[in-house]
Amino acid sequence: SQTIHQWPATLVQPVGSPLSLECTVEGTSNPNLYWYRQAAGRGLQLLFYSVGIGQISSEVPQNLSASRPQDRQFILSSKKLLLSDSGFYLCAWTHTTGNTEAFFGQGTRLTVV
Amino acid sequence: AQSVAQPEDQVNVAEGNPLTVKCTYSVSGNPYLFWYVQYPNRGLQFLLKYITGDNLVKGSYGFEAEFNKSQTSFHLKKPSALVSDSALYFCAVRGRNTGGFKTIFGAGTRLFVKA
Repeated sequence: SQTIHQWPATLVQPVGSPLSLECTVEGTSNPNLYWYRQAAGRGLQLLFYSVGIGQISSEVPQNLSASRPQDRQFILSSKKLLLSDSGFYLCAWTHTTGNTEAFFGQGTRLTVV
Repeated sequence: AQSVAQPEDQVNVAEGNPLTVKCTYSVSGNPYLFWYVQYPNRGLQFLLKYITGDNLVKGSYGFEAEFNKSQTSFHLKKPSALVSDSALYFCAVRGRNTGGFKTIFGAGTRLFVKA
Protein backbone atom coordinates (compact mmCIF):
# COMPACT_ATOMS: atom_id res chain seq x y z
CA SER A 1 0.00 0.00 0.00
CA GLN A 2 1.02 3.59 -0.51
CA THR A 3 2.18 5.79 2.35
CA ILE A 4 3.32 9.38 2.64
CA HIS A 5 5.77 10.60 5.23
CA GLN A 6 6.26 14.23 6.18
CA TRP A 7 8.64 15.58 8.77
CA PRO A 8 9.20 17.17 11.14
CA ALA A 9 5.79 17.35 12.81
CA THR A 10 6.56 20.62 14.54
CA LEU A 11 9.26 23.21 14.02
CA VAL A 12 10.10 26.50 15.70
CA GLN A 13 12.54 28.62 13.76
CA PRO A 14 13.86 32.17 14.21
CA VAL A 15 13.23 34.85 11.64
CA GLY A 16 15.93 34.82 8.98
CA SER A 17 16.85 31.17 9.44
CA PRO A 18 16.64 28.61 6.61
CA LEU A 19 13.93 25.99 6.23
CA SER A 20 13.81 22.49 4.84
CA LEU A 21 10.70 20.32 5.06
CA GLU A 22 10.79 16.89 3.51
CA CYS A 23 8.08 14.65 2.13
CA THR A 24 8.46 11.15 0.74
CA VAL A 25 5.96 8.77 -0.81
CA GLU A 26 6.25 5.00 -0.77
CA GLY A 27 4.44 2.31 -2.72
CA THR A 28 3.82 4.19 -5.95
CA SER A 29 5.83 5.61 -8.81
CA ASN A 30 5.72 8.92 -10.67
CA PRO A 31 3.16 10.55 -8.38
CA ASN A 32 2.04 14.15 -8.68
CA LEU A 33 3.30 15.93 -5.56
CA TYR A 34 1.95 19.01 -3.83
CA TRP A 35 2.78 21.44 -1.04
CA TYR A 36 -0.10 23.27 0.62
CA ARG A 37 -0.15 25.81 3.45
CA GLN A 38 -3.03 26.06 5.85
CA ALA A 39 -3.31 29.27 7.84
CA ALA A 40 -5.23 29.48 11.11
CA GLY A 41 -6.83 26.05 10.68
CA ARG A 42 -8.81 27.03 7.63
CA GLY A 43 -8.47 26.82 3.86
CA LEU A 44 -5.59 25.28 1.99
CA GLN A 45 -3.42 27.37 -0.30
CA LEU A 46 -1.60 25.47 -3.04
CA LEU A 47 2.05 26.52 -2.99
CA PHE A 48 3.82 24.17 -5.40
CA TYR A 49 3.10 21.09 -7.45
CA SER A 50 5.29 18.72 -9.39
CA VAL A 51 4.51 16.22 -12.11
CA GLY A 52 8.02 14.79 -12.35
CA ILE A 53 11.63 14.95 -11.18
CA GLY A 54 12.95 18.49 -11.41
CA GLN A 55 9.57 19.83 -12.61
CA ILE A 56 8.17 22.40 -10.20
CA SER A 57 5.25 24.75 -10.71
CA SER A 58 4.78 27.64 -8.33
CA GLU A 59 1.32 28.89 -7.60
CA VAL A 60 2.06 31.84 -5.35
CA PRO A 61 5.15 34.06 -5.48
CA GLN A 62 6.69 34.08 -2.04
CA ASN A 63 9.62 33.39 0.16
CA LEU A 64 9.55 29.64 -0.41
CA SER A 65 10.86 27.24 -3.03
CA ALA A 66 10.38 23.56 -3.76
CA SER A 67 12.50 20.84 -5.27
CA ARG A 68 11.97 17.26 -6.37
CA PRO A 69 15.38 15.58 -6.47
CA GLN A 70 13.93 12.06 -6.67
CA ASP A 71 10.70 10.62 -8.02
CA ARG A 72 9.07 10.27 -4.61
CA GLN A 73 10.76 13.04 -2.68
CA PHE A 74 9.48 16.60 -2.42
CA ILE A 75 11.25 19.30 -0.43
CA LEU A 76 10.01 22.72 0.66
CA SER A 77 12.72 25.25 1.41
CA SER A 78 13.42 28.82 2.33
CA LYS A 79 16.70 30.68 2.59
CA LYS A 80 15.40 33.19 5.14
CA LEU A 81 12.16 32.69 7.01
CA LEU A 82 9.70 35.50 7.65
CA LEU A 83 7.15 35.73 10.44
CA SER A 84 4.44 35.39 7.80
CA ASP A 85 5.77 31.95 6.85
CA SER A 86 4.27 30.50 10.02
CA GLY A 87 1.52 27.98 9.36
CA PHE A 88 0.61 24.36 8.89
CA TYR A 89 2.30 22.85 5.84
CA LEU A 90 0.86 19.82 4.16
CA CYS A 91 2.39 17.57 1.55
CA ALA A 92 0.12 15.51 -0.68
CA TRP A 93 0.30 13.19 -3.63
CA THR A 94 -2.06 11.97 -6.33
CA HIS A 95 -1.87 9.47 -9.11
CA THR A 96 -1.23 11.03 -12.48
CA THR A 97 -4.80 10.41 -13.63
CA GLY A 98 -7.00 13.40 -12.87
CA ASN A 99 -9.87 11.63 -11.17
CA THR A 100 -8.03 10.38 -8.12
CA GLU A 101 -8.14 11.76 -4.64
CA ALA A 102 -5.19 13.31 -2.86
CA PHE A 103 -3.38 11.58 -0.02
CA PHE A 104 -1.99 13.89 2.63
CA GLY A 105 0.88 13.72 5.04
CA GLN A 106 0.35 14.49 8.69
CA GLY A 107 1.55 18.06 8.31
CA THR A 108 4.27 20.25 9.79
CA ARG A 109 3.39 23.02 12.20
CA LEU A 110 5.93 25.79 11.54
CA THR A 111 6.23 28.69 13.95
CA VAL A 112 8.61 31.48 13.03
CA VAL A 113 9.63 33.54 16.06
CA ALA B 1 -10.49 30.00 -12.99
CA GLN B 2 -11.51 27.26 -10.61
CA SER B 3 -13.06 28.17 -7.28
CA VAL B 4 -14.88 26.52 -4.43
CA ALA B 5 -17.21 28.17 -1.93
CA GLN B 6 -18.23 26.78 1.42
CA PRO B 7 -20.70 29.40 2.59
CA GLU B 8 -20.86 28.32 6.23
CA ASP B 9 -17.89 28.74 8.55
CA GLN B 10 -19.56 26.49 11.09
CA VAL B 11 -22.45 24.05 11.24
CA ASN B 12 -23.98 22.96 14.53
CA VAL B 13 -26.15 19.87 14.77
CA ALA B 14 -27.41 17.62 17.54
CA GLU B 15 -26.29 14.02 17.65
CA GLY B 16 -28.73 11.79 15.78
CA ASN B 17 -29.97 14.58 13.55
CA PRO B 18 -29.18 14.80 9.85
CA LEU B 19 -26.37 17.10 8.78
CA THR B 20 -25.59 19.02 5.61
CA VAL B 21 -22.38 20.85 4.77
CA LYS B 22 -22.72 23.02 1.70
CA CYS B 23 -20.37 23.44 -1.23
CA THR B 24 -20.66 25.25 -4.55
CA TYR B 25 -18.04 25.40 -7.24
CA SER B 26 -17.03 27.19 -10.38
CA VAL B 27 -15.01 25.41 -13.05
CA SER B 28 -15.11 25.20 -16.80
CA GLY B 29 -16.42 21.90 -18.05
CA ASN B 30 -17.33 18.96 -15.87
CA PRO B 31 -15.41 18.81 -12.60
CA TYR B 32 -14.04 16.15 -10.35
CA LEU B 33 -15.39 16.89 -6.88
CA PHE B 34 -14.09 15.73 -3.52
CA TRP B 35 -14.81 15.95 0.18
CA TYR B 36 -12.12 15.65 2.84
CA VAL B 37 -12.16 15.73 6.63
CA GLN B 38 -9.48 17.08 8.94
CA TYR B 39 -9.06 16.41 12.64
CA PRO B 40 -6.94 18.78 14.78
CA ASN B 41 -3.26 18.93 13.83
CA ARG B 42 -3.66 16.20 11.26
CA GLY B 43 -3.57 15.92 7.50
CA LEU B 44 -6.73 15.72 5.43
CA GLN B 45 -8.49 12.40 4.96
CA PHE B 46 -10.47 11.57 1.85
CA LEU B 47 -14.22 10.96 2.32
CA LEU B 48 -15.74 10.65 -1.14
CA LYS B 49 -15.58 11.85 -4.72
CA TYR B 50 -17.76 12.45 -7.75
CA ILE B 51 -16.28 11.50 -11.09
CA THR B 52 -19.22 10.62 -13.30
CA GLY B 53 -22.46 8.70 -13.26
CA ASP B 54 -24.89 8.62 -10.34
CA ASN B 55 -25.31 12.05 -8.79
CA LEU B 56 -25.49 10.59 -5.28
CA VAL B 57 -22.11 9.45 -4.09
CA LYS B 58 -21.59 7.37 -0.96
CA GLY B 59 -18.36 7.51 0.98
CA SER B 60 -16.66 6.68 4.24
CA TYR B 61 -18.24 6.78 7.73
CA GLY B 62 -21.81 6.98 6.39
CA PHE B 63 -21.31 10.24 4.52
CA GLU B 64 -22.79 10.91 1.12
CA ALA B 65 -22.87 13.85 -1.28
CA GLU B 66 -25.15 14.91 -4.09
CA PHE B 67 -23.81 16.41 -7.27
CA ASN B 68 -26.16 18.99 -8.76
CA LYS B 69 -24.90 20.24 -12.09
CA SER B 70 -27.52 22.96 -12.60
CA GLN B 71 -26.81 24.47 -9.19
CA THR B 72 -23.07 23.70 -9.37
CA SER B 73 -23.27 22.24 -5.89
CA PHE B 74 -21.87 19.21 -4.12
CA HIS B 75 -23.33 19.20 -0.61
CA LEU B 76 -22.11 16.71 1.97
CA LYS B 77 -24.78 14.89 3.97
CA LYS B 78 -25.20 12.31 6.66
CA PRO B 79 -28.56 10.96 7.87
CA SER B 80 -27.60 10.73 11.54
CA ALA B 81 -24.70 12.74 13.00
CA LEU B 82 -22.29 11.41 15.60
CA VAL B 83 -20.27 13.42 18.11
CA SER B 84 -17.17 11.89 16.53
CA ASP B 85 -18.09 13.58 13.23
CA SER B 86 -17.04 16.91 14.73
CA ALA B 87 -14.15 18.10 12.56
CA LEU B 88 -13.21 20.48 9.75
CA TYR B 89 -14.62 19.55 6.34
CA PHE B 90 -13.23 20.63 2.99
CA CYS B 91 -14.81 20.54 -0.43
CA ALA B 92 -12.40 20.44 -3.37
CA VAL B 93 -12.62 20.66 -7.15
CA ARG B 94 -10.32 19.67 -9.96
CA GLY B 95 -11.09 20.63 -13.54
CA ARG B 96 -10.87 17.89 -16.15
CA ASN B 97 -8.88 20.14 -18.42
CA THR B 98 -6.05 20.83 -15.99
CA GLY B 99 -4.30 17.55 -16.55
CA GLY B 100 -5.15 16.40 -13.08
CA PHE B 101 -2.62 18.72 -11.57
CA LYS B 102 -4.36 21.28 -9.47
CA THR B 103 -6.98 20.69 -6.80
CA ILE B 104 -8.59 23.78 -5.35
CA PHE B 105 -9.96 23.59 -1.81
CA GLY B 106 -12.71 25.56 -0.15
CA ALA B 107 -12.12 27.49 3.05
CA GLY B 108 -13.52 24.68 5.17
CA THR B 109 -16.59 24.27 7.35
CA ARG B 110 -16.27 23.37 11.00
CA LEU B 111 -18.87 20.85 12.10
CA PHE B 112 -19.89 20.65 15.75
CA VAL B 113 -22.08 17.75 16.78
CA LYS B 114 -23.57 18.14 20.26
CA ALA B 115 -24.37 15.14 22.41
